[in-house]
Amino acid sequence: EVQLVESGGDLVQPGGSLRLSCVASGFTFSSHWMNWVRQAPGKGLEWVANIKEDGSEKYYVDSVKGRFTISRDNAKNSLFLQMNSLRVEDTAVYYCVRGSSVWGQGTLVTVSS
Amino acid sequence: DVVMTQSPLSLPVTLGQPASISCRSSQSLVHSDGNTYLNWFQQRPGQSPRRLIYTVSNWESGVPDRISGSGSGTDFTLKISRVEAEDVAVYYCMQSTHWPFTFGQGTQLEIK
Repeated sequence: EVQLVESGGDLVQPGGSLRLSCVASGFTFSSHWMNWVRQAPGKGLEWVANIKEDGSEKYYVDSVKGRFTISRDNAKNSLFLQMNSLRVEDTAVYYCVRGSSVWGQGTLVTVSS
Repeated sequence: DVVMTQSPLSLPVTLGQPASISCRSSQSLVHSDGNTYLNWFQQRPGQSPRRLIYTVSNWESGVPDRISGSGSGTDFTLKISRVEAEDVAVYYCMQSTHWPFTFGQGTQLEIK
């Protein structure tokens, strides 16, 4: 079964850092672009970042550039999102997504003092 | 960034009746490779989004054929021929032709 399982979401103060992880199973992880998409409470969807199969290309939405870093470990079938200088507006459920077709269950990041 | 505009944002529909959602992009979604990367997603309450349609009109596995996608260039439509109770959800269009990928605002389908 194709599956993506996120973890690492937590309550953090503004200016703090958090690292999200996503473990993939049931498919050849190293053959797919991987993505992070977020959804603020009661709001719509926002594509945050993506990374090429071999990690050689990475793209970020403007609102997170310079603060978030996407990475992957193909040997461990894992995707990561390092989030620094967190802001209240980063509060959201963060989804790990394979291409655009397979979504994880999401992990909640709350940025609040 | 490409702006995706959906209408309506709220769609009350009687069971068994058709429903249609429009999605317009601020620029053409035709990629240099000739494909048009316009996708439709369904998000039921409390669930992760689920892709229904990719590249305008291709069904994801398991999606009933009463749900269909059409369009070209900058104008796209998701149609449900006969609405069922399981269709209650928020529907999003999304373009993955231009980075950053962008979503429409979402359309809430409810049973009248």
